[in-house]
Amino acid sequence: AQSVSQHNHHVILSEAASLELGCNYSYGGTVNLFWYVQYPGQHLQLLLKYFSGDPLVKGIKGFEAEFIKSKFSFNLRKPSVQWSDTAEYFCAVNALGNTDKLIFGTGTRLQVFP
Amino acid sequence: DGGITQSPKYLFRKEGQNVTLSCEQNLNHDAMYWYRQDPGQGLRLIYYSQIVNDFQKGDIAEGYSVSREKKESFPLTVTSAQKNPTAFYLCASLYSGSGELFFGEGSRLTVL
Repeated sequence: AQSVSQHNHHVILSEAASLELGCNYSYGGTVNLFWYVQYPGQHLQLLLKYFSGDPLVKGIKGFEAEFIKSKFSFNLRKPSVQWSDTAEYFCAVNALGNTDKLIFGTGTRLQVFP
Repeated sequence: DGGITQSPKYLFRKEGQNVTLSCEQNLNHDAMYWYRQDPGQGLRLIYYSQIVNDFQKGDIAEGYSVSREKKESFPLTVTSAQKNPTAFYLCASLYSGSGELFFGEGSRLTVL
């Protein structure tokens, strides 16, 4: 069965530190990949997505993610985090040919201290 | 404003009672979804519907039921058969053009 793993459950950083959140999925076929963010008290919103083409995708607020097919990974990165990046981050995968069913990881809680 | 509206935002119920959570969208999206969010478990898919009058079970459908009589509406009923109903419930619809899910603000159900 299709699954998504986020290995970092809780990450604590100081402002200006670099960020990398891991995401691995298990599905051998073609996938669409997503990162969603949930800021405190707000609804989930799309951060970035990968469908095809350049495996390095850029999203909002300076975030980027790299799709590495051989590693079944889609890690999220930001060179320099801000206090306002404090949120919960979810990786999600849609296995094409498996209906429009988006499977989410367990989430990573990021806390950034000034 | 276009979006997903979930109601109520907070709901308290006694054990053994059925509860229905409302989800309405005015985005003209065909597909709609219900997820359950629990701390440390991420979002788990309960039910989804790709078109009116059709819906499929997700990964944790037991104890839940849905209907899709109108494109705009996808209510979720949490029945007394659901063993651990206290949770945060999220409704979403899919914009098929980009594959992006749009989420409502959620409904927090507490069963006493």
